[in-house]
Amino acid sequence: EAQVTQNPRYLITVTGKKLTVTCSQNMNHEYMSWYRQDPGLGLRQIYYSMNVEVTDKGDVPEGYKVSRKEKRNFPLILESPSPNQTSLYFCASSYTGVPGELFFGEGSRLTVL
Amino acid sequence: GNSVTQMEGPVTLSEEAFLTINCTYTATGYPSLFWYVQYPGEGLQLLLKATKADDKGSNKGFEATYRKETTSFHLEKGSVQVSDSAVYFCALSDRAGGFKTIFGAGTRLFVKA
Repeated sequence: EAQVTQNPRYLITVTGKKLTVTCSQNMNHEYMSWYRQDPGLGLRQIYYSMNVEVTDKGDVPEGYKVSRKEKRNFPLILESPSPNQTSLYFCASSYTGVPGELFFGEGSRLTVL
Repeated sequence: GNSVTQMEGPVTLSEEAFLTINCTYTATGYPSLFWYVQYPGEGLQLLLKATKADDKGSNKGFEATYRKETTSFHLEKGSVQVSDSAVYFCALSDRAGGFKTIFGAGTRLFVKA
């Protein structure tokens, strides 16, 4: 089954404690991206990757890091989480030949106390 | 830059009512347009798309027509069901914008039995 898998689905942590949200896709997609969803703001792009070892900033990259060492994985790293990073996070992937036709994971709800 | 504006919600309808959710866009190039749906507790799913002017995307009884002259992509359904209750996002993607997908803020739809 074609899917994008994120873990963890839910996480409560404290300010400053490093965490990683993993994302894996099994569709051999070149393009992967992270979004955060906040009420009234829709989805805002954090980082994206066009292929292995190629990453770039989205609209709200501050406080986040990413890496793309393998095609299937695109982890999101919060080195020192702060309460304003409390949000619902989505990973998505697509073929670069059909930009915008994204496959989404089920989301990771993060709370930073 | 590119942007998407969609009508604010929530929209509350009775079962079998006609649905319209308005979406307008601003783009410098020739974008592809999308509607995504997010059911409670799930990630976004592609509902329909249109890649050029006058194209009509359709799926599950929903339709939207790419209107370049009015820069609009309104979502319609002739007879909604309770199971259509969800959040709907209008989005665009433009190769000239580097494959970046821009989302509207989302419109929540409630359908009453």
